Amino acid sequence: GAGVSQTPSNKVTEKGKYVELRCDPISGHTALYWYRQSLGQGPEFLIYFQGTGAADDSGLPNDRFFAVRPEGSVSTLKIQRTERGDSAVYLCASSSGGIDNEQFFGPGTRLTVL
Amino acid sequence: SQKIEQNSEALNIQEGKTATLTCNYTNYSPAYLQWYRQDPGRGPVFLLLIRENEKEKRKERLKVTFDTTLKQSLFHITASQPADSATYLCALDVGGPYNFNKFYFGSGTKLNVKP
Repeated sequence: GAGVSQTPSNKVTEKGKYVELRCDPISGHTALYWYRQSLGQGPEFLIYFQGTGAADDSGLPNDRFFAVRPEGSVSTLKIQRTERGDSAVYLCASSSGGIDNEQFFGPGTRLTVL
Repeated sequence: SQKIEQNSEALNIQEGKTATLTCNYTNYSPAYLQWYRQDPGRGPVFLLLIRENEKEKRKERLKVTFDTTLKQSLFHITASQPADSATYLCALDVGGPYNFNKFYFGSGTKLNVKP
């Protein structure tokens, strides 16, 4: 079956611009996560959705970052006034919970801010 | 401060040997811990979960231990193969009793299995 998909796979933007990153989770998965991964580091927690609501957004670095999941399926991570330090791979994962709470990750969006 | 530490140096081993990777943490009391595999340019893939009341868990050639006193998990791959070469990440549940779905990841250890 289809896994988690993310679009675009690569995004190059200029400092100060606005970007949107999209995540399509596995159908039926109620939990959705966003992470940010820099080179040589593990995924850094940003936000977790349960259904349509953000259950925990404590990982968002500042108010330039915002994420939505209006219908409990697709999610969009929005970054305003991008900075060079925002450059990273943004990973999305979904989960149905289950006994192991396994997260299924997408391939990520590589964001480069020039 | 709170930390999750994995050996940042790559682990190089010969095919057929057992690889042992370490995940140490401080100032957390996770209810469970997960291990993931990540290949270059791909998202992590779940391997195993171990709970705080479990000392050891096995799945095929994989074995995970969890010592909540030492605050350490060990991840073993027996009879290693070149196809096992990847970065291995540990992830801790840090949400506490009211948020079961918040995970912090270690930085990962790169495993190279040589034929």
